[in-house]
Amino acid sequence: GAVVSQHPSWVICKSGTSVKIECRSLDFQATTMFWYRQFPKQSLMLMATSNEGSKATYEQGVEKDKFLINHASLTLSTLTVTSAHPEDSSFYICSARPLQGASNQPQHFGDGTRLSIL
Amino acid sequence: QQQVKQSPQSLIVQKGGISIINCAYENTAFDYFPWYQQFPGKGPALLIAIRPDVSEKKEGRFTISFNKSAKQFSLHIMDSQPGDSATYFCAASIGAAGNKLTFGGGTRVLVKP
Repeated sequence: GAVVSQHPSWVICKSGTSVKIECRSLDFQATTMFWYRQFPKQSLMLMATSNEGSKATYEQGVEKDKFLINHASLTLSTLTVTSAHPEDSSFYICSARPLQGASNQPQHFGDGTRLSIL
Repeated sequence: QQQVKQSPQSLIVQKGGISIINCAYENTAFDYFPWYQQFPGKGPALLIAIRPDVSEKKEGRFTISFNKSAKQFSLHIMDSQPGDSATYFCAASIGAAGNKLTFGGGTRVLVKP
């Protein structure tokens, strides 16, 4: 149980294009999802907290107009990297916090999306 | 400001040996301390977690030791196996287990057969 699926797992696109990454909780509902970015051999850095039905909360230094987050349902959050450039190339990971039993339930992580901008 | 400091950055251990990873935190409001295991190209997976009301927690070959006064906690991997070769992250959060996490820098563990 508690599976989080990310799609796509790997994407390569040209500089200047926009890329959408999906994060789905497959067998549970999640009012809160988190988006992380991880550069090679580095730790996970929280980018934003996504709340179903409301605006995302971005961490300091993260451009909200560049990284658009939509959490339209209790099982789906999307991250759109707009006008992507090579420096946006990274491993993007989402996690979901289960709605049921929230105080005792940890975040469940997806397997990440590797984004390469040429 | 790095709120959770992790050491060492990398570790090589022989099969059957003990891997020890340490973390120190600054924010005394942290009250949930999980450890994650991450393989290349995958997301992190929760290994074990502890709250400050206990000083030690063991699950299989994995043990967390927690020192509240020193604001430190550590992961011990007993009888290390080649399959344990991965990157390990400590983390900390405030309140509910699913709240916002602050991660340590990570430790790459290599278990030699």
